[in-house]
Amino acid sequence: TQLLEQSPQFLSIQEGENLTVYCNSSSVFSSLQWYRQEPGEGPVLLVTVVTGGEVKKLKRLTFQFGDARKDSSLHITAAQPGDTGLYLCASRNTDKLIFGTGTRLQVFP
Amino acid sequence: DAGVIQSPRHEVTEMGQEVTLRCKPISGHNSLFWYRQTMMRGLELLIYFNNNVPIDDSGMPEDRFSAKMPNASFSTLKIQPSEPRDSAVYFCASSLVGEQFFGPGTRLTVL
Repeated sequence: TQLLEQSPQFLSIQEGENLTVYCNSSSVFSSLQWYRQEPGEGPVLLVTVVTGGEVKKLKRLTFQFGDARKDSSLHITAAQPGDTGLYLCASRNTDKLIFGTGTRLQVFP
Repeated sequence: DAGVIQSPRHEVTEMGQEVTLRCKPISGHNSLFWYRQTMMRGLELLIYFNNNVPIDDSGMPEDRFSAKMPNASFSTLKIQPSEPRDSAVYFCASSLVGEQFFGPGTRLTVL
């Protein structure tokens, strides 16, 4: 069974700071997704990466997929309080998703 | 358009009672997923259906858990009898191709 470890587990920062969170797998990803989950809601898909070395940008968020497709990072530039939430990476295997342990981000104004 | 609808949003019950969680997927979606989220174990897939047929129930913890999908617009997850360790947030998600859309979850507390 594929295991996805995310780090850090918790992160508290001030508005305007930059941050990076990581997702590491025990095996190669077929494809990887990043989700954000806000309190009291379900996860919402941010991005899907498929190709090793791929970089995708979504406004202030930059997603990178490792060359060997066993790791990924999410970088947020100039964090805002609205970025607060639980960030989850997930490995997609046909229809199934295996989720990582999550990084809980708190951005203070 | 309405998203995935789950009911109830909160459920508090006593150990030994039967609990039924309900889900209405997004219209037109052909896959439905039930997940459980806890602090200790994170977000885990319990079971998923494709075209109303259960495809993979390997995540269902034990025989106390059962799920049904009698038609394309409705699914239930039942726990009988419930135990305190079943306390968690249960999510339903649906998809057509690729992206899964999650409902708001049902927070279950078993006393």
